[in-house]
Amino acid sequence: QKEVEQDPGPLSVPEGAIVSLNCTYSNSAFQYFMWYRQYSRKGPELLMYTYSSGNKEDGRFTAQVDKSSKYISLFIRDSQPSDSATYLCARGANNLFFGTGTRLTVIP
Amino acid sequence: NAGVMQNPRHLVRRRGQEARLRCSPMKGHSHVYWYRQLPEEGLKFMVYLQKENIIDESGMPKERFSAEFPKEGPSILRIQQVVRGDSAAYFCASSPDGGNEQFFGPGTRLTVL
Repeated sequence: QKEVEQDPGPLSVPEGAIVSLNCTYSNSAFQYFMWYRQYSRKGPELLMYTYSSGNKEDGRFTAQVDKSSKYISLFIRDSQPSDSATYLCARGANNLFFGTGTRLTVIP
Repeated sequence: NAGVMQNPRHLVRRRGQEARLRCSPMKGHSHVYWYRQLPEEGLKFMVYLQKENIIDESGMPKERFSAEFPKEGPSILRIQQVVRGDSAAYFCASSPDGGNEQFFGPGTRLTVL
């Protein structure tokens, strides 16, 4: 069983839509979770960083962790074409374990 | 502030040659991590180094791969006798304190002919 599982998509939404990206993880001992955004042929860029359960909001982005169901979510409000990228969830430790990424396209 | 720097950005090698990938962490960061991204796969951890020490190499292939982070200069990921299966994007990340917040470089894309 993979440490972090992520639906690879692809996911296409119209501009302005609310996007929901999801991951599940296997080990309930995990405490730290991250979301990275990766544009084509670029390095991953840290978007959000959460510890334990609950929500964290930053502008149009909200990260949510539900430890009871081992579920990690990223919500993007008012999505823009510039949000088109691959989104990677990861669980933290000294070495990050990444999901395979979900490719998102926001259509103008 | 300069971010994590990696060079070369693109590297082409023939089977059996050596590949040397370099990573300069962000200013003030003394913890370096190497990851590999194969086509259509996620990022996979390879090795975690602090200055002059390998902290965790649990993701490194047992043969042909080595990494170092000397007291002076960049971190080096070295792949000896490359094979076609080594073709991938190799990313370096750094953090200031060995915590969970890691900042990634632009990657080196290795192609083995």
